Amino acid sequence: GDSVTQMEGPVTLSEEAFLTINCTYTATGYPSLFWYVQYPGEGLQLLLKATKADDKGSNKGFEATYRKETTSFHLEKGSVQVSDSAVYFCALTARGNEKLTFGTGTRLTIIP
Amino acid sequence: GAVVSQHPSRVICKSGTSVKIECRSLDFQATTMFWYRQFPKQSLMLMATSNEGSKATYEQGVEKDKFLINHASLTLSTLTVTSAHPEDSSFYICSANIAGNTIYFGEGSWLTVV
Repeated sequence: GDSVTQMEGPVTLSEEAFLTINCTYTATGYPSLFWYVQYPGEGLQLLLKATKADDKGSNKGFEATYRKETTSFHLEKGSVQVSDSAVYFCALTARGNEKLTFGTGTRLTIIP
Repeated sequence: GAVVSQHPSRVICKSGTSVKIECRSLDFQATTMFWYRQFPKQSLMLMATSNEGSKATYEQGVEKDKFLINHASLTLSTLTVTSAHPEDSSFYICSANIAGNTIYFGEGSWLTVV
């Protein structure tokens, strides 16, 4: 079945550091790929998505590129801020399916 | 503002009792909602698909008699954990898909069974 493997945390970085959170997937066909973020005390929010190979999703300075050849969707940000502290989830949906398959989540803490 | 609202955010119940968690879509109708569960340091796992006006569809391994799902209106789905036990303690979260294929999540509910 479909699965998502995500970089284990927790990850602690200093403000303005470069961030990478790795995500790889296993799926049949051509899934859509997502990054969700959960800030403390809140629900999951869609951060960015990509629906086909080589697409790049971006939002709030975060980027991720859909790499079919490496089945990856790594999340990156050039300069993190304290407000980026949250739990990040990589996820996918199979074509025509609303059900999400999630990674385990990565807790990110940014220190001033 | 929130598009999907979940209540309660935290609940503690005694072993053997039942607890109900509500998931509401705000300002839109959701014929389908989804319930997920997350154990510590694990992924969010889909439990069931809640269908308005019909029976929920449960994922393999999820006990339908234990996790009762009711989707009686286009804006409300409820998950009732019956005869709860400590191993049911978990994070439960719902989602709904609205026009444009955007999936919104509720705030999630932390259930602790003592």
